[in-house]
Amino acid sequence: KQEVTQIPAALSVPEGENLVLNCSFTDSAIYNLQWFRQDPGKGLTSLLLIQSSQREQTSGRLNASLDKSSGRSTLYIAASQPGDSATYLCAVRQGAQKLVFGQGTRLTINP
Amino acid sequence: DTEVTQTPKHLVMGMTNKKSLKCEQHMGHRAMYWYKQKAKKPPELMFVYSYEKLSINESVPSRFSPECPNSSLLNLHLHALQPEDSALYLCASSQPLIRDTEAFFGQGTRLTVV
Repeated sequence: KQEVTQIPAALSVPEGENLVLNCSFTDSAIYNLQWFRQDPGKGLTSLLLIQSSQREQTSGRLNASLDKSSGRSTLYIAASQPGDSATYLCAVRQGAQKLVFGQGTRLTINP
Repeated sequence: DTEVTQTPKHLVMGMTNKKSLKCEQHMGHRAMYWYKQKAKKPPELMFVYSYEKLSINESVPSRFSPECPNSSLLNLHLHALQPEDSALYLCASSQPLIRDTEAFFGQGTRLTVV
C-alpha cells in the first residue's frame, strides 16, 4: 500500500528565505506526482505536476524535483513571501485514477 | 479554463435533512472525483466516476449517494448524515486512463451536520 510522508509537518521562516519541503513515498510505481497549495478552509490549487519520466519542473519561484527510484520529491520555494503561507500537499498518482496524499506541510512566512 | 466550480460553498443541515452538493467543470475531463477532508488531515477519496460511470467507491456509507448526470456535472446526495460527517467536501476532475493527467480541485463545500 502506497504511503506518502511529508516532512516537516510545520515550518516557520522569515520573509525572503529560500526553503525546501520534502515528500517521500514508499512505492516507486507512480504515474506522476503533483504539488498542491491549500489555504485555510479552501480547496486545493495545483502548483506543479511532475511526470514519472521527469526529474524536475519549474513555475516562477517554485521548483519541484522527483527522484522516483528513491521515492522522494522536494518543493523548493525561492525568496519566500508572506503570501506563500499555506499548507502544501504532495500527492502521487497510483494507477490511473487514485491520488494518494501526504499529510501536508503547514508553512508560515513571517514578515 | 481550469476551474472546477462547487456549490454551495457552505451548508448546514440537520440529521434528517436531504441535501445535494454540486460540482461542474468545463475542461472536457471525463474523470470526476469526490473527496472528504477533515480538519488538519489530507483529502480522502470517496468516489470516482470515469466516463460517467462509477468506477471507485471507497466503501463509503450509503447515506452518501453520488450521481454523474453528464460529463460536466457531478452531484453528491446527502441523507441522514451524522455530525461526524461534518467536513470539507472537495470535487476534482482529470482525464481518465492517462498517466500524466493533472488533477484540478474545486474550492470545496464546507458541510456542518447538526
